[in-house]
Amino acid sequence: DTGVSQDPRHKITKRGQNVTFRCDPISEHNRLYWYRQTLGQGPEFLTYFQNEAQLEKSRLLSDRFSAERPKGSFSTLEIQRTEQGDSAMYLCASSWAPGVRADTQYFGPGTRLTVL
Amino acid sequence: DQQVKQNSPSLSVQEGRISILNCDYTNSMFDYFLWYKKYPAEGPTFLISISSIKDKNEDGRFTVFLNKSAKHLSLHIVPSQPGDSAVYFCAASGDGGDMRFGAGTRLTVKP
Repeated sequence: DTGVSQDPRHKITKRGQNVTFRCDPISEHNRLYWYRQTLGQGPEFLTYFQNEAQLEKSRLLSDRFSAERPKGSFSTLEIQRTEQGDSAMYLCASSWAPGVRADTQYFGPGTRLTVL
Repeated sequence: DQQVKQNSPSLSVQEGRISILNCDYTNSMFDYFLWYKKYPAEGPTFLISISSIKDKNEDGRFTVFLNKSAKHLSLHIVPSQPGDSAVYFCAASGDGGDMRFGAGTRLTVKP
């Protein structure tokens, strides 16, 4: 299967701990996106990369959040000093966008984070 | 700022009938619109899209209509099947990478 994969699928942590999630995009896709989804809401944009460059960050992405895509392939999203409000589904998506235009994004299964 | 709105949280239709899901947007810079379907414990699955240069796009049982003057789009599913039961999200994007989603409509298709 060559879809978007995310690891882990579930993460339970205690408040104040750091967590890191990984996303592997579709191999030929140059763009990678991170979203957060809470119950009853649609996905909310966090940040995206074009190749290894992080081009845009939402104001939702506080300084406790950091994302990297060091070689333009997989990406990691780290949350430091987790808070209960960070509990959500974290979704990764990828797309092929040869120019500046947005294109159809394909999502992974998500990582569900629970902060106790 | 909710730039994409789906005002119906749920919709129930009989198998074989038409399902119509609606979506409104406020940002006139949006020029690419998508519908995603989501099952529990899975990520959203791309369904169909439409560019602002068109007013209709069809793919099998799914048709998306775009009314730019009203800033409104709709997804028609004909005929509806029980397997279509899921949460449907409307999404919109413009220049740049971020995509804005509505809150979703839960469709239930009854046999």
